[in-house]
Amino acid sequence: DTAVSQTPKYLVTQMGNDKSIKCEQNLGHDTMYWYKQDSKKFLKIMFSYNNKELIINETVPNRFSPKSPDKAHLNLHINSLELGDSAVYFCASSQRERGGLDEQYFGPGTRLTVT
Amino acid sequence: GDSVTQMEGPVTLSEEAFLTINCTYTATGYPSLFWYVQYPGEGLQLLLKATKADDKGSNKGFEATYRKETTSFHLEKGSVQVSDSAVYFCALSIKAAGNKLTFGGGTRVLVKP
Repeated sequence: DTAVSQTPKYLVTQMGNDKSIKCEQNLGHDTMYWYKQDSKKFLKIMFSYNNKELIINETVPNRFSPKSPDKAHLNLHINSLELGDSAVYFCASSQRERGGLDEQYFGPGTRLTVT
Repeated sequence: GDSVTQMEGPVTLSEEAFLTINCTYTATGYPSLFWYVQYPGEGLQLLLKATKADDKGSNKGFEATYRKETTSFHLEKGSVQVSDSAVYFCALSIKAAGNKLTFGGGTRVLVKP
């Protein structure tokens, strides 16, 4: 069973289009994240949701809109795609533990190429 | 703000060589520290972690010790294999900051037979 899954794995699209990436976790976690990995492998947090509530929004352009229909899903919608959006997008999840370590589990990534 | 600095790669080694990847951090709070590994074409996997000073994380022959006095979390392995070829990321998280992971730039390791 895949713990954190993302679809699609690859996405090639043209500038100006709107696209969505889906993420689902079957770990029963209450917190989900989106990270972006650029061409130089640098990873940076974009968003985090806890129990469907947005808790982190890291100065991401408002063309990016996360949506969490329930605790197990966090989708990423991107409007008016630009060349600079080309990257690998990783979804992750964790369970908030009082006083404990919120270990994050990552999905396999979605490679987005904007032409 | 919080940040993680790790040595730039690529690091090229022969099989059975000793591997060290340096990692230092700056943090506004008391962080938990992690090493993640990314094998070619795959997502990130947690390699090891440490939550407080002097904790040693270990897994698959890799070790790292949380050194608060030097704000470091260097990764070591005594004898690498070709299968250890990957990109290694040092990271920190702070609960008060929403538990987001702040990553270093990654270090590519290539082990040759």
